[in-house]
Amino acid sequence: DAKTTQPPSMDCAEGRAANLPCNHSTISGNEYVYWYRQIHSQGPQYIIHGLKNNETNEMASLIITEDRKSSTLILPHATLRDTAVYYCIVRANDYKLSFGAGTTVTVRA
Amino acid sequence: NAGVMQNPRHLVRRRGQEARLRCSPVKGHSHVYWYRQLPEEGLKFMVYLQKENIIDESGMPKERFSAEFPKEGPSILRIQQVVRGDSAAYFCASSPPLRSGSHNEQFFGPGTRLTVL
Repeated sequence: DAKTTQPPSMDCAEGRAANLPCNHSTISGNEYVYWYRQIHSQGPQYIIHGLKNNETNEMASLIITEDRKSSTLILPHATLRDTAVYYCIVRANDYKLSFGAGTTVTVRA
Repeated sequence: NAGVMQNPRHLVRRRGQEARLRCSPVKGHSHVYWYRQLPEEGLKFMVYLQKENIIDESGMPKERFSAEFPKEGPSILRIQQVVRGDSAAYFCASSPPLRSGSHNEQFFGPGTRLTVL
């Protein structure tokens, strides 16, 4: 029951912006878009979340389309330490996180 | 500034043995969640506990798996009579009490990697 679709992998040059797309065409009105990442051999780390407005924090920006059917996570200046699997998750305000396969992002020097 | 602690980080068991995985939540967090990550897959929800209560165990296998979060001490995920298919990374997360209409972030531990020989 995958709610999101992400590309399996992408490369990014160090110092450049990384734009990670996510499709969630069946998102409901009360569901948020969350992004987590998992660096190799570590637990997932929260990045950002949003409902319908664009959001920005110290880690990333989240751009959600007006129809909310897709979003883009932007890492403004990728570093080698940003190499990880990035998960886009849609959820209502409950506790279950459902992780798909995510996008494996490799930042290259 | 201790985050979620899990131990052991690596656990090796032979088929038929028991595995006990421990999770100490962030100080002040009363909600604990366990997730399992099979090789090359995303994390799957297993169980949600509050102190002395199992709130949702819909992701737990029907047999051999149990979880608890006692009034004192860490949360324990127990797997009896382990089989090779139980080999996975088990992650614990914790959160403060859930607030309706608010962001409820889960903080994850580093995981326990279970290998069943």
